[in-house]
Amino acid sequence: DVKVTQSSRYLVKRTGEKVFLECVQDMDHENMFWYRQDPGLGLRLIYFSYDVKMKEKGDIPEGYSVSREKKERFSLILESASTNQTSMYLCASRGTGSVLKLFFGSGTQLSVL
Amino acid sequence: SQQGEEDPQALSIQEGENATMNCSYKTSINNLQWYRQNSGRGLVHLILIRSNEREKHSGRLRVTLDTSKKSSSLLITASRAADTASYFCALSNTGNQFYFGTGTSLTVIP
Repeated sequence: DVKVTQSSRYLVKRTGEKVFLECVQDMDHENMFWYRQDPGLGLRLIYFSYDVKMKEKGDIPEGYSVSREKKERFSLILESASTNQTSMYLCASRGTGSVLKLFFGSGTQLSVL
Repeated sequence: SQQGEEDPQALSIQEGENATMNCSYKTSINNLQWYRQNSGRGLVHLILIRSNEREKHSGRLRVTLDTSKKSSSLLITASRAADTASYFCALSNTGNQFYFGTGTSLTVIP
């Protein structure tokens, strides 16, 4: 079965720390996405990648960077975590062509103290 | 904004009743999808409807799309307690950017 795996379910970090959120998919998908989800704001796109080493900014990229060195892995990096980055982070992947649906991981609830 | 907006924000019904939730949007779209999210988990794709379609069915789900009114509705028939979840619409026009609404929280009371 299709699987998108996020490395941590819950994460607690200190302000100023560098944080890595990892996402791995086993479907050979070209496209991968990072969203954050906040109450009342829905899901907002941070970054997406349509190929290895390729990335595009989403709606809220400030304070984040991404890395895609291998097709199956897409990492979200918080360069210097801040309290306003406390959120649920969701990774998703999608194939190409007419297959449009997103496959999501279970999410990482990040708390920055 | 390119986000969809779901209505109502919250819905509580008895098991066996039908649940209807709506999504309105402002931009033109290529397709609209509905996703479900159980509490604290990732989203699961339910159904996709393209801009040239008016209605689609999948099991107990029925989706309609009215591009002239820029709105879609998701109907869940004969609801079950296991349908309790949040439901999101997602809009796409380019294929690589998906804009999600804020969701409808559905509670089905056994």
